[in-house]
Amino acid sequence: NAGVTQTPKFQVLKTGQSMTLQCAQDMNHNSMYWYRQDPGMGLRLIYYSASEGTTDKGEVPNGYNVSRLNKREFSLRLESAAPSQTSVYFCASSNEQGSPLFGSGTRLTVV
Amino acid sequence: AQSVTQLGSHVSVSEGALVLLRCNYSSSVPPYLFWYVQYPNQGLQLLLKYTSAATLVKGINGFEAEFKKSETSFHLTKPSAHMSDAAEYFCAVKSTRGGSNYKLTFGKGTLLTVNP
Repeated sequence: NAGVTQTPKFQVLKTGQSMTLQCAQDMNHNSMYWYRQDPGMGLRLIYYSASEGTTDKGEVPNGYNVSRLNKREFSLRLESAAPSQTSVYFCASSNEQGSPLFGSGTRLTVV
Repeated sequence: AQSVTQLGSHVSVSEGALVLLRCNYSSSVPPYLFWYVQYPNQGLQLLLKYTSAATLVKGINGFEAEFKKSETSFHLTKPSAHMSDAAEYFCAVKSTRGGSNYKLTFGKGTLLTVNP
C-alpha cells in the first residue's frame, strides 16, 4: 500500500553535478508526472508520461531528462545541476479517469 | 492548450466564516478538475475532483466545489472555516483526450489564512 515513492527525500548538489530522482508507483497507473514547486509559482510540469514507452515535455523541461523505465518507474535526471534547479520536486501518477496521487517530494538544493 | 487561473494568491478569513477560493480554467476538451491541499512541508492531498458526473462535488473536510461550464469555473467553498483549514490550495485541470493526452496543469495556488 505504498502509493507513490520518491527517493531521495533531501539532496544537496554542487553546481555541475548530476543526479537522478527516482519515482515508483504500485497502483498500475498508466500516467506519471514530474513537477517542481517554487514559492509563488505553484507546481510546474517538467515532463510527463501518458503511458509506458512515451514521454512528453511539460512547461519547464530545460535542464532535465526523463526515463519511463517500465510501467512502475519514472526517473528524472539532472545532467549538470544549476542553482536555478533548487526546488522541491514531486512525482505523481494516475490512470485516465483517476485522481493523480503524489509522492512526498524531494527537496533539492544546488549550491 | 489548457490553463488554470486562481484568483487571489492569499485569502484571509475569520474562523467560522465562509471560505471561497476561486479557480477558472481553459481547456479545449472536456476537462477533469481537481482541488488539492498542501500543509506546510508536506505533499499534496486530494480534496475533491470533478469528472463529468454531478456538477456539485463534495470533498473531504467539509469542502465542496461547483463546476460551471458557462463560466469555466470550479470554485472551492466551505461554509465555516476552521483553524485547521489554514494551508495552500491548488486547483488543477487534466485533459481527457487529444494532443495534451492527460497532461495535468496546476494553478499557482492560494494560501488560506484563518484568523481566530
